[in-house]
Amino acid sequence: GAVVSQHPSRVICKSGTSVKIECRSLDFQATTMFWYRQFPKQSLMLMATSNEGSKATYEQGVEKDKFLINHASLTLSTLTVTSAHPEDSSFYICSAAVTGSETQYFGPGTRLLVL
Amino acid sequence: GESVGLHLPTLSVQEGDNSIINCAYSNSASDYFIWYKQESGKGPQFIIDIRSNMDKRQGQRVTVLLNKTVKHLSLQIAATQPGDSAVYFCAELLGGGADGLTFGKGTHLIIQP
Repeated sequence: GAVVSQHPSRVICKSGTSVKIECRSLDFQATTMFWYRQFPKQSLMLMATSNEGSKATYEQGVEKDKFLINHASLTLSTLTVTSAHPEDSSFYICSAAVTGSETQYFGPGTRLLVL
Repeated sequence: GESVGLHLPTLSVQEGDNSIINCAYSNSASDYFIWYKQESGKGPQFIIDIRSNMDKRQGQRVTVLLNKTVKHLSLQIAATQPGDSAVYFCAELLGGGADGLTFGKGTHLIIQP
């Protein structure tokens, strides 16, 4: 149980285009989902907290207009990287928390490469 | 979070030996700690957790120790196997379930045959 999926697993796009990444909890409902970013050989950094039915909460330094988050249902959150640039190339990982629990289950990650 | 721009520290151990991975956490108010294992190109995988009202917790081949006085966590892996090779991260949570995790720098564990 407690499986989280992400789609796509990897994406290559041209600079200036937008990319949407999906995060799904497959066998549980997640009121809260989290988006992290990980650069090569570095740790995971929290970008934003996504709450179903309300606006996402962004960490300091993360542009909300650039990283659009939508959490329209209890099993799906999407992250859209708008007007992507090469410096946005990274490994984007989501996690989902079962409602009322502190345990976070992580997705397999999405590798984004912006050319 | 921790500082960025540094290569991950590496710990190399012989297969079958025990390994100890250390982590310093940042927030004295954190009350929940987790160790994750991350293999190359994959998301973090839960290993073991511990709450701040405990000093030690054991799982299968793994033990986590918590020293709140010096804000230090350690992960002990017994009888290491090739499949234990990965990057290990500690993470802390302030509590309540509504917050994201703050991850430590990570340690790359290499198991030598």
